[in-house]
Amino acid sequence: GAVVSQHPSWVICKSGTSVKIECRSLDFQATTMFWYRQFPKQSLMLMATSNEGSKATYEQGVEKDKFLINHASLTLSTLTVTSAHPEDSSFYICSAAPWGKNIQYFGAGTRLSVL
Amino acid sequence: QKEVEQDPGPLSVPEGAIVSLNCTYSNSAFQYFMWYRQYSRKGPELLMYTYSSGNKEDGRFTAQVDKSSKYISLFIRDSQPSDSATYLCAMNEELETSGSRLTFGEGTQLTVNP
Repeated sequence: GAVVSQHPSWVICKSGTSVKIECRSLDFQATTMFWYRQFPKQSLMLMATSNEGSKATYEQGVEKDKFLINHASLTLSTLTVTSAHPEDSSFYICSAAPWGKNIQYFGAGTRLSVL
Repeated sequence: QKEVEQDPGPLSVPEGAIVSLNCTYSNSAFQYFMWYRQYSRKGPELLMYTYSSGNKEDGRFTAQVDKSSKYISLFIRDSQPSDSATYLCAMNEELETSGSRLTFGEGTQLTVNP
């Protein structure tokens, strides 16, 4: 149980294009989903927290207009990197918290390479 | 000072050894404690989850929490090469709603040599 699916696992795009990453909780409903960014050999950096049906809460320094988050249902959240640039290249990971629990289950991550 | 301190290693042990991984924290409001295992280029996988002080065992893994010392540990018995990964401690506060943000340690890189 507690499976979180993240898609795609790897995406390469041209500079200036937008990329959408999907995060789904497969066997539970997730009241809250989180988006992280991870640089090589570093820990996870929280980008934003999203609750179903409401606007995401972004961490300080994260551009809301560049990283669009939509949490349209209790099982799906999406992160869209708009007008991607090479400095946006990174490993993006989502997590989901089941309702009533203080645990996060993570997706497998998406490796984004912007050329 | 970081809220959670974890020695990043690297830690290298022979197969079959007992591994001890540790984190200290400063925020006394932390109530939930987790250990995640992360393989290279993968998302973290939840290994252990504890709420109160004491020990919790699951197979070869034992999680230990000492709230009075603000110290948590993960022990791995009979370590295997497949245990080679980065181990992240994480913790959060008691909140009224689910899904509170986690505070992570830096992660300890472990290599188990055959």
